Amino acid sequence: DVKVTQSSRYLVKRTGEKVFLECVQDMDHENMFWYRQDPGLGLRLIYFSYDVKMKEKGDIPEGYSVSREKKERFSLILESASTNQTSMYLCASWGRQGAKGTEAFFGQGTRLTVV
Amino acid sequence: QKEVEQDPGPLSVPEGAIVSLNCTYSNSAFQYFMWYRQYSRKGPELLMYTYSSGNKEDGRFTAQVDKSSKYISLFIRDSQPSDSATYLCAMSALRGGADGLTFGKGTHLIIQP
Repeated sequence: DVKVTQSSRYLVKRTGEKVFLECVQDMDHENMFWYRQDPGLGLRLIYFSYDVKMKEKGDIPEGYSVSREKKERFSLILESASTNQTSMYLCASWGRQGAKGTEAFFGQGTRLTVV
Repeated sequence: QKEVEQDPGPLSVPEGAIVSLNCTYSNSAFQYFMWYRQYSRKGPELLMYTYSSGNKEDGRFTAQVDKSSKYISLFIRDSQPSDSATYLCAMSALRGGADGLTFGKGTHLIIQP
């Protein structure tokens, strides 16, 4: 089974802090995604990456950056956390090649609260 | 345009009923379609994956894709209280989601015992 692991289930951070959310997948997938999920707004794509050191902006990249130094790891960075970034953050991965990557799988989510 | 429309519900049905969940979309380039189930405070769990038009069945679940109408459906037979969750449709034009996966907002389903 594909495993997508997010480093934390719950985080509480202060306004202005720099926040790192880590995601690791073990299926050698090329593509990885970061979403945030808010009531009434659904899942919104923040950033995605289709290869190491490559990144693409999603629909709501403002206030976020990402890092993909290794294929299995995709990090989301909140440069200066604000209260409007309080949300559930979800990481997903999907492979382009072969039977091992025909579907996208999600991590368990990180519920971030900024106070 | 990447918009996907999905009725948020809640949809409440009695146990044992057949449930029909639907999404419509506007981007004719979409050809990879997925359904996810999400329980409260958990990450989405993949239920069904379909490429292009057609039907796919897995146990009590059937996924249908009609690309000509830009309409996808998920049917749940013999619904159980444990099926109560939010169901999300997702789609992509490129294999692997290289264009970014696009989601509906989810339908909240309640199965009454």
